[in-house]
Amino acid sequence: SQTIHQWPATLVQPVGSPLSLECTVEGTSNPNLYWYRQAAGRGLQLLFYSVGIGQISSEVPQNLSASRPQDRQFILSSKKLLLSDSGFYLCAWSAAPSGGADTQYFGPGTRLTVL
Amino acid sequence: EDQVTQSPEALRLQEGESSSLNCSYTVSGLRGLFWYRQDPGKGPEFLFTLYSAGEEKEKERLKATLTKKESFLHITAPKPEDSATYLCAVGSSNTGKLIFGQGTTLQVKP
Repeated sequence: SQTIHQWPATLVQPVGSPLSLECTVEGTSNPNLYWYRQAAGRGLQLLFYSVGIGQISSEVPQNLSASRPQDRQFILSSKKLLLSDSGFYLCAWSAAPSGGADTQYFGPGTRLTVL
Repeated sequence: EDQVTQSPEALRLQEGESSSLNCSYTVSGLRGLFWYRQDPGKGPEFLFTLYSAGEEKEKERLKATLTKKESFLHITAPKPEDSATYLCAVGSSNTGKLIFGQGTTLQVKP
């Protein structure tokens, strides 16, 4: 069966510090991978998605970036965090070649607080 | 514009009191309608996918139905452990992405 991991589970960072969140998927090959942000009381906002190693599409202009160095690894980064970057970050995967409009499975999430 | 609206925003039920959650949508090319359950501080957990009007799926006390413009998540005789936020999403064949609603937060009191 497939499993998706995210770490860290919680993170408190000062404004202006760098960020690295990691997501890995087990039990599947060549998945589509996604980063979402969920603000308190709001829906899920798609940030990035990837259909393969080194292939990243950005949905929202911001100071965040994503990378996919391995088939089942997805990393969300920032060089300098802003207060507005606080939120709950979720990684998800879906089976290729079904694409992003098909069933997505989510990880446990990372709670980021920027102070 | 692709859009998903869920109602109500919050719902309080007594244990055993059945009710329904609504998900209205507009999408250019429905690829599927998805229901997720999200517990506080956790990632969404997949419940159902519905693909065509008239389709129904059940899991324990939950039953999801789909029409051309909306979906309902019926909860029969709910228990306190059914308390969670329920998210609805539609897949757009035009954009190849999921569009999520804001969710309905359900509280079931014993």
